[in-house]
Amino acid sequence: AQSVTQLGSHVSVSEGALVLLRCNYSSSVPPYLFWYVQYPNQGLQLLLKYTTGATLVKGINGFEAEFKKSETSFHLTKPSAHMSDAAEYFCAVSGTSYGKLTFGQGTILTVHP
Amino acid sequence: DTGVSQNPRHKITKRGQNVTFRCDPISEHNRLYWYRQTLGQGPEFLTYFQNEAQLEKSRLLSDRFSAERPKGSFSTLEIQRTEQGDSAMYLCASSPGGGARDTEAFFGQGTRLTVV
Repeated sequence: AQSVTQLGSHVSVSEGALVLLRCNYSSSVPPYLFWYVQYPNQGLQLLLKYTTGATLVKGINGFEAEFKKSETSFHLTKPSAHMSDAAEYFCAVSGTSYGKLTFGQGTILTVHP
Repeated sequence: DTGVSQNPRHKITKRGQNVTFRCDPISEHNRLYWYRQTLGQGPEFLTYFQNEAQLEKSRLLSDRFSAERPKGSFSTLEIQRTEQGDSAMYLCASSPGGGARDTEAFFGQGTRLTVV
């Protein structure tokens, strides 16, 4: 079975500041991990994913995440926040052969001028 | 447009009525998923199709819910005798398939259901 815990339902940063969104997972099989972003009344857009290989994964819009097996974590970071980054972010794990996703409860990111 | 399309975008219905949502996946994607998202929560898996075969259903999918994917193309999700607890965003996603777990799922914009 798989589960995802996102620490912090709301994160607020100033424009230009570091963004850090935390995600811890549990998986009975080697995990495939994903970060999705959702803007109001929209579907989900993939930011980045980890499958195998390099543990530091780069995604769109300047985001990156590092897979740490020993800590069962997959935290999302961005060096400098932009106003357009304000959205809800979901971490997800895939543990089946057909791509079924288990999502965390989401983190709302607010960016202040 | 090559994205996942869902219709309608919004649906308001009275308790006890039946509703049906449609999802048109990306062309040639043989995997199709339905998720439900309630306010303040992440999406929860409902069901999965491989072509026209429904291969997994969540326990969240009560007997009032039924999903179909005739001919392996578009899919419909029907809710009978709607209840206020059914109010949520219903998301559809598709992926190319092929056996790898890492295949990206592409999401539609969702259908927001409000039961009054």
